[in-house]
Amino acid sequence: GAGVSQTPSNKVTEKGKYVELRCDPISGHTALYWYRQSLGQGPEFLIYFQGTGAADDSGLPNDRFFAVRPEGSVSTLKIQRTERGDSAVYLCASSLNGDTYNEQFFGPGTRLTVL
Amino acid sequence: EDQVTQSPEALRLQEGESSSLNCSYTVSGLRGLFWYRQDPGKGPEFLFTLYSAGEEKEKERLKATLTKKESFLHITAPKPEDSATYLCAVQAGDDKIIFGKGTRLHILP
Repeated sequence: GAGVSQTPSNKVTEKGKYVELRCDPISGHTALYWYRQSLGQGPEFLIYFQGTGAADDSGLPNDRFFAVRPEGSVSTLKIQRTERGDSAVYLCASSLNGDTYNEQFFGPGTRLTVL
Repeated sequence: EDQVTQSPEALRLQEGESSSLNCSYTVSGLRGLFWYRQDPGKGPEFLFTLYSAGEEKEKERLKATLTKKESFLHITAPKPEDSATYLCAVQAGDDKIIFGKGTRLHILP
């Protein structure tokens, strides 16, 4: 079956621009996670959705970052006034219901480059 | 502060040379410890979840073990296709998931 998909696979933008990154989770998965991974580092937690609501957004670095999941399926991570330090791979993962017993399935990531 | 430390940062082995990767953690109320494999340009791929000290899980040439302070990923007679970055993560009592920086494993044929 289809796994987690993310679009675009690569995004190059200029400092100060607005970007949207999309995640399509596995069908039926209620839990969705966003992570950011810099070169040579492990994924860093950003936000966790359970259904349509953000259950934990404590990992968002500042108010330029925002994520939505209006219908409990597709999620969009939005970054305003991008900065060069935002350059990283943004990973999305989904799991059946967020319980520890359910593994997270990761997408391939979106590589964001801010010039 | 909750944290995860993996060692070594990188490891080069000859094909067939067994070894172990270490994941040390400090976390309040461990709910689970996870091992993932990540290939270049791809997202992490789930390997194991361990829940309590003394637990062990195996998959092909990999075996993961857990104590109260650390986890080991043992690789027996590795093959070149086992080359990847291996990530360890913990889920704390507040449900946060914290990843280590990973160990880059390179198996030489």
